[in-house]
Amino acid sequence: DQQVKQNSPSLSVQEGRISILNCDYTNSMFDYFLWYKKYPAEGPTFLISISSIKDKNEDGRFTVFLNKSAKHLSLHIVPSQPGDSAVYFCAASEGTDKLIFGTGTRLQVFP
Amino acid sequence: GAGVSQTPSNKVTEKGKYVELRCDPISGHTALYWYRQSLGQGPEFLIYFQGTGAADDSGLPNDRFFAVRPEGSVSTLKIQRTERGDSAVYLCASSSTSGGGLDTQYFGPGTRLTVL
Repeated sequence: DQQVKQNSPSLSVQEGRISILNCDYTNSMFDYFLWYKKYPAEGPTFLISISSIKDKNEDGRFTVFLNKSAKHLSLHIVPSQPGDSAVYFCAASEGTDKLIFGTGTRLQVFP
Repeated sequence: GAGVSQTPSNKVTEKGKYVELRCDPISGHTALYWYRQSLGQGPEFLIYFQGTGAADDSGLPNDRFFAVRPEGSVSTLKIQRTERGDSAVYLCASSSTSGGGLDTQYFGPGTRLTVL
């Protein structure tokens, strides 16, 4: 059973616009959520995280929103840049260091 | 400083053979993790070490998989009697957590294992 789901396998956005990547989860015990970014032939790189006690966390162009009642989180990138083109993974943790990842969304930012 | 390194970057083996995959974590990081990423999937947790001991090995798929970290630094993931379904990218990550908190996991580039 997939506890963390990213239902959009790909997303294409024009440079300068907002990119919104979505993630849903089923386990109500998850209390920490993260987004990782992955370029080809590299390992995932940590981007931003949010604790379940918050509903928003912002870091520069990146903002993560958490809706616990809907078991949904989203990553907003604004403005989007061509260098943001990568695969984005949502991950969650249940109070331990074990991360449960989604299947990823491939973001393409075109000029 | 140097990041997490993994060797080899690619490994091709035949069904039934034994393989070892190595991970060098970031210096000073006490926690080390192994994940496996199959095509089209996200990383899947395998095992987590805190120091020399395996704190959580619940993700190891069966007893063909084993991992060690004898001196609390370098770790080796060992796969016996490899099967074609073992083909994947094996990712290693490390963090500075001492337990109880969730610290950032830094990933290596992975080892791509292909079982023919």
